[in-house]
Amino acid sequence: KQEVTQIPAALSVPEGENLVLNCSFTDSAIYNLQWFRQDPGKGLTSLLLIQSSQREQTSGRLNASLDKSSGRSTLYIAASQPGDSATYLCAVYTDKLIFGTGTRLQVFP
Amino acid sequence: GEEVAQTPKHLVRGEGQKAKLYCAPIKGHSYVFWYQQVLKNEFKFLISFQNENVFDETGMPKERFSAKCLPNSPCSLEIQATKLEDSAVYFCASSLTTQGGYTFGSGTRLTVV
Repeated sequence: KQEVTQIPAALSVPEGENLVLNCSFTDSAIYNLQWFRQDPGKGLTSLLLIQSSQREQTSGRLNASLDKSSGRSTLYIAASQPGDSATYLCAVYTDKLIFGTGTRLQVFP
Repeated sequence: GEEVAQTPKHLVRGEGQKAKLYCAPIKGHSYVFWYQQVLKNEFKFLISFQNENVFDETGMPKERFSAKCLPNSPCSLEIQATKLEDSAVYFCASSLTTQGGYTFGSGTRLTVV
């Protein structure tokens, strides 16, 4: 059974710091991996989708890497801002999307 | 742009009452997925459809929960005799394949009192 774990569960940092959020999955037989953001009481916003043949994807201040063989992905957030405060979810595609446990990020001014 | 439309946004039911949630997938998407998000952000897969056929129902509680996707109608998720622990946000997603690029709706918040 595929399990997706995210570390840390929560993170509180001052504005301007560079951050690394970690995601690990137990079964490397995945098609793709996706990072989402969820603001409190809101839906999901897709951040980055990494196909299984890719090693990384970048969008603005966000960079996500994927190492399928080791079952790991990292989301790198550069120069964090208070507006980045949200829960970040990693999810892997098998025959359905399996979500990680989430990292709750707070960036304070 | 195209979106997955979920209705209603909020639903309040007394314990034991029925709840019915709706999801209109993006036109042309063959797959529809239902997820339940309870407290602490945990997303639980419930069921998926390929067109009107059940594709994977391994996450569906055996009792009280049912779902349908009929041609030319929104998909639905129905909970008979709701319980307090059914309180959650229910998200629907649609996609061309099971392997990536799901588009999520904004969710239905069900509160059972």
